[in-house]
Amino acid sequence: DSGVTQTPKHLITATGQRVTLRCSPRSGDLSVYWYQQSLDQGLQFLIHYYNGEERAKGNILERFSAQQFPDLHSELNLSSLELGDSALYFCASSEENTEAFFGQGTRLTVV
Amino acid sequence: QKEVEQDPGPLSVPEGAIVSLNCTYSNSAFQYFMWYRQYSRKGPELLMYTYSSGNKEDGRFTAQVDKSSKYISLFIRDSQPSDSATYLCAMSSLWGAGSYQLTFGKGTKLSVIP
Repeated sequence: DSGVTQTPKHLITATGQRVTLRCSPRSGDLSVYWYQQSLDQGLQFLIHYYNGEERAKGNILERFSAQQFPDLHSELNLSSLELGDSALYFCASSEENTEAFFGQGTRLTVV
Repeated sequence: QKEVEQDPGPLSVPEGAIVSLNCTYSNSAFQYFMWYRQYSRKGPELLMYTYSSGNKEDGRFTAQVDKSSKYISLFIRDSQPSDSATYLCAMSSLWGAGSYQLTFGKGTKLSVIP
């Protein structure tokens, strides 16, 4: 158990809908990263938050947004969902911006 | 040229074999090097974390970093069927405003045959 908790584990939704994925980092970790992993694809970096502030953006679509709250949990919001957004979404947390520990992911299926 | 190159395999070895997994990189700014193991549809699990050139051993796993050649390796001794997974190399560098970013290889799929 990495100590990073993601909910829900599975999500099935229709095209055009909006969903929110939640991540609770390891105790004491200030950094939260979001990654997308499509079938047979590598981990694609989406966004990084550090202690509530956005630090870096990767290949994140404008339909996607994230935030980190004062208690350090983070949410990834995906809107106007398309079939191609079906993927595993991982959250990772780290202390002092070094090695990252991953949650078990949320499997999103858009139908 | 991609920043991190990793042979996707698949790599199939008999139980008990020594496995060698490798990544090359082009960005000299990478400072930290990691290996993750990912079982099918699970979250990546951190196996090894290194900073400097040289070897680091942890049980059956040895991580090797050669910064001069921009090459990292993971060796698995006495491989077991339970080692069958995808192995991802990852490297981090400072990316503005105090943010370290992880860049992943595509992963090598390993099968250890009993």
